Amino acid sequence: ETGVTQTPRHLVMGMTNKKSLKCEQHLGHNAMYWYKQSAKKPLELMFVYNFKEQTENNSVPSRFSPECPNSSHLFLHLHTLQPEDSALYLCASSLSGGTGELFFGEGSRLTVL
Amino acid sequence: GENVEQHPSTLSVQEGDSAVIKCTYSDSASNYFPWYKQELGKRPQLIIDIRSNVGEKKDQRIAVTLNKTAKHFSLHITETQPEDSAVYFCALPEETSGSRLTFGEGTQLTVNP
Repeated sequence: ETGVTQTPRHLVMGMTNKKSLKCEQHLGHNAMYWYKQSAKKPLELMFVYNFKEQTENNSVPSRFSPECPNSSHLFLHLHTLQPEDSALYLCASSLSGGTGELFFGEGSRLTVL
Repeated sequence: GENVEQHPSTLSVQEGDSAVIKCTYSDSASNYFPWYKQELGKRPQLIIDIRSNVGEKKDQRIAVTLNKTAKHFSLHITETQPEDSAVYFCALPEETSGSRLTFGEGTQLTVNP
C-alpha cells in the first residue's frame, strides 16, 4: 500500500490504559510528524522526526511518548491519558527539511473515557 | 513561533459563486505558502501552494495570491461546486525549522446546491 497508513483508525481507552498508535509510510520520506486535531482548534504539531531522530517536541506532556524505529515507521505510545486528550491524531511525512508537501494519514480517532 | 490568522472561520456560498479565504501572518521571512483541504472524515491534502517569487498561482478553479508587503495570502475558488465543501487550512513554515508548519484555524466552506 502506498501513502501514509495509520492504525488503529478508532481507539477508546480508559485513563489507566496503555495503548499505541502506529504510522507507516511508503513514500521514501525521511521526516515524520505527529499532529493533534481537536474540534475547533488548528492542527497542533506534537513531534517531528528527521532521519529517525526527534528534532521537535512541542511541549507535549510526557503521557505521550513517540518512537521512531526507522524512517518508515512512527509510533505514539499513550499512557494515563486525560479526557481532554480525546482528539484525532494525524501522522504525516515529508521529504526531510525544506518547504515541501506534508502527506497525512487518515488519522486515529482517540476517545479517552 | 509563527502566528497566522485565518478568516473567515465559516463560509457558505451558493453553487457557482466564488469563495475567498484569507490568511495574515507576522514576523515571517517565509517564502512558501501552502493551502490544505480536509473533507469530512478525510485526511488534509495539499491543494495548492505558492512561493514568494510570484504573486499569484492558478490551478483550474483554485488560485492563491500573495502580498508579502501586507503579509497576507488568499485562496480563491471560482465556480464552486458541492464537492468543494470542506475545511481549508493555510499554513506557514516556522522560521527556525522549515519543515515545521504552523496551520491556520481553518475555514469550513459549505457550497449549497
